[in-house]
Amino acid sequence: GQSLEQPSEVTAVEGAIVQINCTYQTSGFYGLSWYQQHDGGAPTFLSYNALDGLEETGRFSSFLSRSDSYGYLLLQELQMKDSASYFCAVRDSGNTPLVFGKGTRLSVIA
Amino acid sequence: DVKVTQSSRYLVKRTGEKVFLECVQDMDHENMFWYRQDPGLGLRLIYFSYDVKMKEKGDIPEGYSVSREKKERFSLILESASTNQTSMYLCASRKGPGSYNEQFFGPGTRLTVL
Repeated sequence: GQSLEQPSEVTAVEGAIVQINCTYQTSGFYGLSWYQQHDGGAPTFLSYNALDGLEETGRFSSFLSRSDSYGYLLLQELQMKDSASYFCAVRDSGNTPLVFGKGTRLSVIA
Repeated sequence: DVKVTQSSRYLVKRTGEKVFLECVQDMDHENMFWYRQDPGLGLRLIYFSYDVKMKEKGDIPEGYSVSREKKERFSLILESASTNQTSMYLCASRKGPGSYNEQFFGPGTRLTVL
């Protein structure tokens, strides 16, 4: 089976940078994904890392180290609208469902 | 624009009732999933389907069943609803296996069992 660990809550100031960490245990590995969910909304895809290194998409970046079974989501120039829950997720193989972490609730304060 | 729709946003049922939650996707996706989401527990997989008439148990299938008679529709059935099934239910779809495919989620159904 798989298990993922991520902090339950993070608070950061508007305009700052925040990093949300995720460690995982899987029997196989088919990439690490990140999803964002606003209160009352559906989870939406943010990023995917299959290989080691940093992937950048605008203000958001995601990092993966397969040897450490570790990844993180980096949010820069934080805005109030970034207040949401963030989930990391992994798959064992290309033909298995995503398994999600319990989520990190990010609060952006003024 | 890709779309996953769920039959109800809010549903209130009584203990012992049979409950149907419907999910429809318009993207011709092969894979469909049902999750439940509870505070502090994240998203837990109930059932999934990789093709019409196929179904696989997820991590918490007890008390649930599913039906996939058509490619675009995946139904979750609570045979006899219980209060511990009060939760947010999220349906998702994905293009297919193999190379990475993003999962698209519906808006969710908040089910309350009294």
